[in-house]
Amino acid sequence: QQPVQSPQAVILREGEDAVINCSSSKALYSVHWYRQKHGEAPVFLMILLKGGEQKGHDKISASFNEKKQQSSLYLTASQLSYSGTYFCGTEWTGANNLFFGTGTRLTVIP
Amino acid sequence: NAGVTQTPKFQVLKTGQSMTLQCAQDMNHNSMYWYRQDPGMGLRLIYYSASEGTTDKGEVPNGYNVSRLNKREFSLRLESAAPSQTSVYFCASSEHPGQGLNEQYFGPGTRLTVT
Repeated sequence: QQPVQSPQAVILREGEDAVINCSSSKALYSVHWYRQKHGEAPVFLMILLKGGEQKGHDKISASFNEKKQQSSLYLTASQLSYSGTYFCGTEWTGANNLFFGTGTRLTVIP
Repeated sequence: NAGVTQTPKFQVLKTGQSMTLQCAQDMNHNSMYWYRQDPGMGLRLIYYSASEGTTDKGEVPNGYNVSRLNKREFSLRLESAAPSQTSVYFCASSEHPGQGLNEQYFGPGTRLTVT
């Protein structure tokens, strides 16, 4: 039930790009993306719905492949502030709750 | 707006003790959630309330009870704490339950240790 995220961890230099992937074994209605900094609460980044609607951070982009039940989060021209753990949360059709992945730890270094 | 607030921030319990974690939101949201976060496990849903007056079990409800006191408040009770319940607990809210552009807003968390 829990989606699978990859990679588990990534280290970037400022200005580099990264892609974080999230895949599910079940048909999805939506995918959420959140970022959590150490010792803090998760913060909403993006939500993507089946059918193409989406909402979120204007500096972060994501895709949702409904046929493959996969989503990818694209972080371009990374900044130090992008460091943290990124979680995807997946929602099945007809459900009222999310299942979260185990997270991808992103570290951006100068 | 304070958003989602949780009390207490930290708590240490002995095995067998009980306690209630409090959560409140001031965004007039209909839906509220309780998660636990353990190292390497991500966030796991304990209970949720899609709307005032309703509650439902999530992935890991055993050992917990909840009360949706009113639209603003959603509490989580541990009746007899066990070391396996040592975790960080997050409360969250969303305008509506799922199946839409309903992002969740999280509180700052409660760090609970059971000895």
